[in-house]
Amino acid sequence: DTGVSQDPRHKITKRGQNVTFRCDPISEHNRLYWYRQTLGQGPEFLTYFQNEAQLEKSRLLSDRFSAERPKGSFSTLEIQRTEQGDSAMYLCASSSTDRGVTEAFFGQGTRLTVV
Amino acid sequence: AQSVTQLDSQVPVFEEAPVELRCNYSSSVSVYLFWYVQYPNQGLQLLLKYLSGSTLVKGINGFEAEFNKSQTSFHLRKPSVHISDTAEYFCALFSGGYNKLIFGAGTRLAVHP
Repeated sequence: DTGVSQDPRHKITKRGQNVTFRCDPISEHNRLYWYRQTLGQGPEFLTYFQNEAQLEKSRLLSDRFSAERPKGSFSTLEIQRTEQGDSAMYLCASSSTDRGVTEAFFGQGTRLTVV
Repeated sequence: AQSVTQLDSQVPVFEEAPVELRCNYSSSVSVYLFWYVQYPNQGLQLLLKYLSGSTLVKGINGFEAEFNKSQTSFHLRKPSVHISDTAEYFCALFSGGYNKLIFGAGTRLAVHP
């Protein structure tokens, strides 16, 4: 297993454009998390899935943001009508609840720059 | 509400010197505690975790941390740092009731020759 994979690693987009990021979790992990990290800050929780069900969304996840995990495997995070304030690193993590959640494994992140 | 406070935003230290990165947490329920390291433009790598049992936990790269319930602290230590330890370090807690990791703001460790 190669761990959590995120694509793309970097994205530069113009304000107002839509962007979509993909996350492939560790294959046997049923939980998948999205976090956002701005410069000089710790990661902030956005949302998480258990299998295909989105169980929690942060207040940070405005209506321009949508996340899906259609078959309980990979997930996508879409941002519509991007704003400069959306510039950040978007991190994906996965974990397993088989023996209780004891660790989350993170991907390398997607760095979004909105110009 | 749960929270994590990392008491130092930056810690400069000379190579081969000891270092302590401080972390305090707030929670009304039992928690799991973690330290992650992040190198520039990379994701987070787990250094160590406290789930239960011995309050002194050892991690990778020679790091260790001590869980202190009465002080609500989980400080990270290393007896002798290397240049390659220069990175951002994040303390985090996880509580089953919240189903997510909550991170501190991070401490930038800068190791100088």
